[in-house]
Amino acid sequence: GAVVSQHPSWVICKSGTSVKIECRSLDFQATTMFWYRQFPKQSLMLMATSNEGSKATYEQGVEKDKFLINHASLTLSTLTVTSAHPEDSSFYICATGWAEQYFGPGTRLTVT
Amino acid sequence: ILNVEQSPQSLHVQEGDSTNFTCSFPSSNFYALHWYRWETAKSPEALFVMTLNGDEKKKGRISATLNTKEGYSYLYIKGSQPEDSATYLCAFTTGNQFYFGTGTSLTVIP
Repeated sequence: GAVVSQHPSWVICKSGTSVKIECRSLDFQATTMFWYRQFPKQSLMLMATSNEGSKATYEQGVEKDKFLINHASLTLSTLTVTSAHPEDSSFYICATGWAEQYFGPGTRLTVT
Repeated sequence: ILNVEQSPQSLHVQEGDSTNFTCSFPSSNFYALHWYRWETAKSPEALFVMTLNGDEKKKGRISATLNTKEGYSYLYIKGSQPEDSATYLCAFTTGNQFYFGTGTSLTVIP
């Protein structure tokens, strides 16, 4: 299967700052990257779908101006949480693939 | 949002015991059912993809069955080993999007 890396694995930031999460496909070209979020004791929920060279598609209820997604190359997609607040504290994970999802290891974000 | 439920939420078993978990999903608009094994700090690892009603898949001591008419899948682990300790995640897909359960956390006690 495809190998996806994600960085950082965990991050703590202060309220009001921005955090960038990188997701890289290491052994293939990912035209599409899915970004999920998981709150404690809940399931992975799709936030947005990024497509290389075009604008991301956001799920209902996800603020596109707060969660900036960039997919400028076939190997890199980034998610930037802007003006982070404590309620943004969550586990963020990227995945690629349509028939099968290949995941990164995820990023634990804590906003203080 | 389609509801995918997994049970139990967690369980502890003794090494050598066999165990099973359940994944329930909508029986309409079914395309495929996926099982993943997810260890802490690692990427979820794909175990099985099942598409046909009555499908049975096996990988070593782990097997899975699928009933699309009633909307459930079972994952079985025979002779559990400590290295089987992980969260087992199922996902239902309509072909357009994946919908995940909350996972079953398995701890195998040596």
